[in-house]
Amino acid sequence: KQEVTQIPAALSVPEGENLVLNCSFTDSAIYNLQWFRQDPGKGLTSLLLIQSSQREQTSGRLNASLDKSSGRSTLYIAASQPGDSATYLCAVKGIKAAGNKLTFGGGTRVLVKP
Amino acid sequence: NAGVMQNPRHLVRRRGQEARLRCSPMKGHSHVYWYRQLPEEGLKFMVYLQKENIIDESGMPKERFSAEFPKEGPSILRIQQVVRGDSAAYFCASSPIPVGSGSSYNEQFFGPGTRLTVL
Repeated sequence: KQEVTQIPAALSVPEGENLVLNCSFTDSAIYNLQWFRQDPGKGLTSLLLIQSSQREQTSGRLNASLDKSSGRSTLYIAASQPGDSATYLCAVKGIKAAGNKLTFGGGTRVLVKP
Repeated sequence: NAGVMQNPRHLVRRRGQEARLRCSPMKGHSHVYWYRQLPEEGLKFMVYLQKENIIDESGMPKERFSAEFPKEGPSILRIQQVVRGDSAAYFCASSPIPVGSGSSYNEQFFGPGTRLTVL
């Protein structure tokens, strides 16, 4: 059974610092891994999707890496801003899982202080 | 192109009542997924549907919960005889045609969620 873990559960940094968010998964047989942002009381916004054959994806200040063999992904956010404060979720789509469901981590709650 | 739409956004029910949550997928998407986010917990998969078919309901509670995606109209998640433990945010996602690795069609797009409160 696939399990996804995100550490730390919460993170607080001063504005301008780089953010490093970690995601680990137990079964490396995945189709892809997705990073999402969730603001309090809101839905999920997809940030980056990394296919299993890719090592990283970049979008603006965001960069996500994937090491499938070790079951890890890292989301880097450069030069953090107060507007980056949110909960960040990673999710994997497993090859062995029936259907096409995503398995989510518990999230990392980020606070960027001005 | 409108995104995934869910309604209502907020729903309040008393114990024992029925809750109906609706989800309209993105245009051109024929696959719908429902996830539940309990307070202070992560999102958990509930059910995966295509038009008129339930593909995977391994995450659905055995009783009181049902889902459908008719040929016409939105997908419906129905909770009968709600209890306080059903209070959660329910998210719907849609995708075009999920395939294996290497395809741009793997991504699921999420709606804003319905927040159910059971009094």
